[in-house]
Amino acid sequence: QKEVEQNSGPLSVPEGAIASLNCTYSDRGSQSFFWYRQYSGKSPELIMSIYSNGDKEDGRFTAQLNKASQYVSLLIRDSQPSDSATYLCAVGGSQGNLIFGKGTKLSVKP
Amino acid sequence: DTEVTQTPKHLVMGMTNKKSLKCEQHMGHRAMYWYKQKAKKPPELMFVYSYEKLSINESVPSRFSPECPNSSLLNLHLHALQPEDSALYLCASSKITGGAETQYFGPGTRLLVL
Repeated sequence: QKEVEQNSGPLSVPEGAIASLNCTYSDRGSQSFFWYRQYSGKSPELIMSIYSNGDKEDGRFTAQLNKASQYVSLLIRDSQPSDSATYLCAVGGSQGNLIFGKGTKLSVKP
Repeated sequence: DTEVTQTPKHLVMGMTNKKSLKCEQHMGHRAMYWYKQKAKKPPELMFVYSYEKLSINESVPSRFSPECPNSSLLNLHLHALQPEDSALYLCASSKITGGAETQYFGPGTRLLVL
């Protein structure tokens, strides 16, 4: 059974700080990794994808992947109250499906 | 453009009703998905259609019946649902990016079964 683990939080950070969200996965053969943001009552929104070891930056977001440690993380720099949401880590399955973690709830305090 | 549309936004139905959820995308994506999401839980995969053929059925009860009339449309027919089926139903479509399927979600249909 392929699993994706996330700390459910809540993770609380002050405005302007760096928020660090972490995820581990069980299938060593996984090749694609995604971070989705989900506001309460809304659908998941893709914010980052990463396929290779190392860092990938997009604006205030940086995804980090370490396949040897089976670990993927998301850093949010200069966190804003509008970043308050649940962040879902997802790993691509062999049939194009996604295997989701349970999500980490982030709260950014003004 | 990564827009997936879903109708209706909200649906209330009784346990004896028959209703359908609709999903549409015009991005030429090859695969479409139905997910069910309960409160404070991640999305759970229900069905996957790849090139209009059902490729994954995650042992979903037969009271949920998917249909893919063409490459842009995906329906979910509902019949004799139970109150525990109340949830947010999400449609997604995917394209290959960087060698991997990247999924984009529609806004969802919030279903309440009375």
